[in-house]
Amino acid sequence: GNSVTQMEGPVTLSEEAFLTINCTYTATGYPSLFWYVQYPGEGLQLLLKATKADDKGSNKGFEATYRKETTSFHLEKGSVQVSDSAVYFCALSDRGAAGNKLTFGGGTRVLVKP
Amino acid sequence: DGGITQSPKYLFRKEGQNVTLSCEQNLNHDAMYWYRQDPGQGLRLIYYSQIVNDFQKGDIAEGYSVSREKKESFPLTVTSAQKNPTAFYLCASSSPTMASNQPQHFGDGTRLSIL
Repeated sequence: GNSVTQMEGPVTLSEEAFLTINCTYTATGYPSLFWYVQYPGEGLQLLLKATKADDKGSNKGFEATYRKETTSFHLEKGSVQVSDSAVYFCALSDRGAAGNKLTFGGGTRVLVKP
Repeated sequence: DGGITQSPKYLFRKEGQNVTLSCEQNLNHDAMYWYRQDPGQGLRLIYYSQIVNDFQKGDIAEGYSVSREKKESFPLTVTSAQKNPTAFYLCASSSPTMASNQPQHFGDGTRLSIL
């Protein structure tokens, strides 16, 4: 079956530091890959997505590249701000599966200190 | 603005009581989903619906029930059979159903607690 593994947190950084959150996946078909962000007490917001190999998703300074050869979709940001403190979820959606179901990783909490 | 509305934001349940969580969307999406999130953990799928009057069990459906009588609405009932209902519940929608490159859109969640 499908699975997503992401690095455990919390990840604590200083403002303007470089952020990387690792995400690897296992899928039987040709998945689309997503990063979602969750701020305290809220639902999930789509941060970025990539739908095929070598695609790069980007939004709000965050980037992730779909690497089929390493089955990875690592999230990066060059200079984080305090407002980036949140929980980040990597997820996949398998094109072969009915219902467009998402498989989520366990989430990575990021804390950015001033 | 289009979006997903979940209500209430906080809900309390007594032992042996059924409670219903509301989820309404005005995005004209065909598919809707319910997830459960426990502290420090990822999301687990409870039920999903691809079309009106049809729904499927997810990974943790026991103790829950749903209905999909209207495209806009997908209420979740947490029954007394759910022994550990305290959690954060998230509703999502997406369209079209068979295109996996379409993201799911989420509501702001309902936090359910046992009194």
